[in-house]
Amino acid sequence: ETGVTQSPTHLIKTRGQQVTLRCSSQSGHNTVSWYQQALGQGPQFIFQYYREEENGRGNFPPRFSGLQFPNYSSELNVNALELDDSALYLCASSPGRTTNIQYFGAGTRLSVL
Amino acid sequence: GQQLNQSPQSMFIQEGEDVSMNCTSSSIFNTWLWYKQDPGEGPVLLIALYKAGELTSNGRLTAQFGITRKDSFLNISASIPSDVGIYFCAGQAQGAQKLVFGQGTRLTINP
Repeated sequence: ETGVTQSPTHLIKTRGQQVTLRCSSQSGHNTVSWYQQALGQGPQFIFQYYREEENGRGNFPPRFSGLQFPNYSSELNVNALELDDSALYLCASSPGRTTNIQYFGAGTRLSVL
Repeated sequence: GQQLNQSPQSMFIQEGEDVSMNCTSSSIFNTWLWYKQDPGEGPVLLIALYKAGELTSNGRLTAQFGITRKDSFLNISASIPSDVGIYFCAGQAQGAQKLVFGQGTRLTINP
């Protein structure tokens, strides 16, 4: 049990729709990272938030955006959904911007039809 | 996206056997991490390595940070049924925010 919670656990959307995924970080952690895990692959870094500011971004288009709130919880928003966006979306929290250890939630399984 | 080369992709072993898997990169990392992921769950941290040449154990698990800083190894001794799952290596470069993951090694154990 990492203390990182994500909601919802499963989601089905159709192509072109928008989706918002949520993450509550572990108590005391001010940094949240988001990853996309396609079936049979390792997680791919989307972006990281530190104290409500984006602090690094992977190779994902601008239709992937995020927010971090004063309580350090976070949202991942994806606009104009495409079929290839179907994946497990993982949130990871860590106690500082420079710390190496990231603790993952159970993820949100997104299916785009 | 960038991924580490993790091998083997899958392993089928008998309960009680030892397991070895490894991970290589074309670039240097300052931290190597090993995670285990069960179906429907997120990755759970097993071992963290911070120094080239470091050898660290966690129960029956032992991992090493390669001298070149471009590889890492994980060994599991005397495997048991609960070891079944997918094992991921992850590396982090100095000053980087992201973890770069391997493709995973799927471990199956025959009782």
